[in-house]
Amino acid sequence: QVQLQESGPGLVKPSETLSLTCTVSGGSISSISSSYYWGWIRQPPGKGLEWIGSIYYNGNTFYNPSVKSRVTISVDTSKNHFSLALNTVTAADTAVYYCARQYVERVTIFGVVTLGYFDYWGLGTLVTVSS
Amino acid sequence: QSVLTQPPSVSAAPGQRVTISCSGSSSNIGNNYVSWYQQFPGTAPKHLIYNNNKRPSGIPDRFSGSKSGTSATLDITGLQTGDEADYYCGTWDTSLNTEVFGGGTKLTVL
Repeated sequence: QVQLQESGPGLVKPSETLSLTCTVSGGSISSISSSYYWGWIRQPPGKGLEWIGSIYYNGNTFYNPSVKSRVTISVDTSKNHFSLALNTVTAADTAVYYCARQYVERVTIFGVVTLGYFDYWGLGTLVTVSS
Repeated sequence: QSVLTQPPSVSAAPGQRVTISCSGSSSNIGNNYVSWYQQFPGTAPKHLIYNNNKRPSGIPDRFSGSKSGTSATLDITGLQTGDEADYYCGTWDTSLNTEVFGGGTKLTVL
């Protein structure tokens, strides 16, 4: 049974960098035959889900254009975890941040990737941006 | 403004059936699988439906999904008070190279 656990500061000052880590247990991020990306999703208080981005074990990433200029997702296969860094944060980045496993729906012969459903989710961690 | 459009709320009586719609476009729902998630207050979303109409292990067959063209639907039959939750649809948008979600639908079981 795959389990994911988010960790990181719950309070970040405006203009600083939000950093979170998602530790995966019960499965390896780095399986060469892996059919999964590993993603970050956030949910502002009282609002809906927003996908931030996803990463493959080899470091290939997809990012939401809405945050692409400020976000970096990285993976450390030796520690079986992946991380989120979001810089220059404002109050609008206050949210519950979830990490989740995302299925690779298909890859074309040209290497175009289509991602699919999220099957395993972490419990989420609330990050508040405030001075 | 979400890429996928869901009604903000739906309601029905216990034992009844409810349908939640999710509308998109050819670059997302029209060409990719749709998934659905159930979220209770204060908890993480739960995987409910994948590949338009498949249920993960442990999900009752009261929950079913379908897709037609650029819209998808989640059906819940035999409503129970324990089904009160927020429901989100999601899919990949091929033009944006982005996972997109609907705005969520709050289900009230009267």
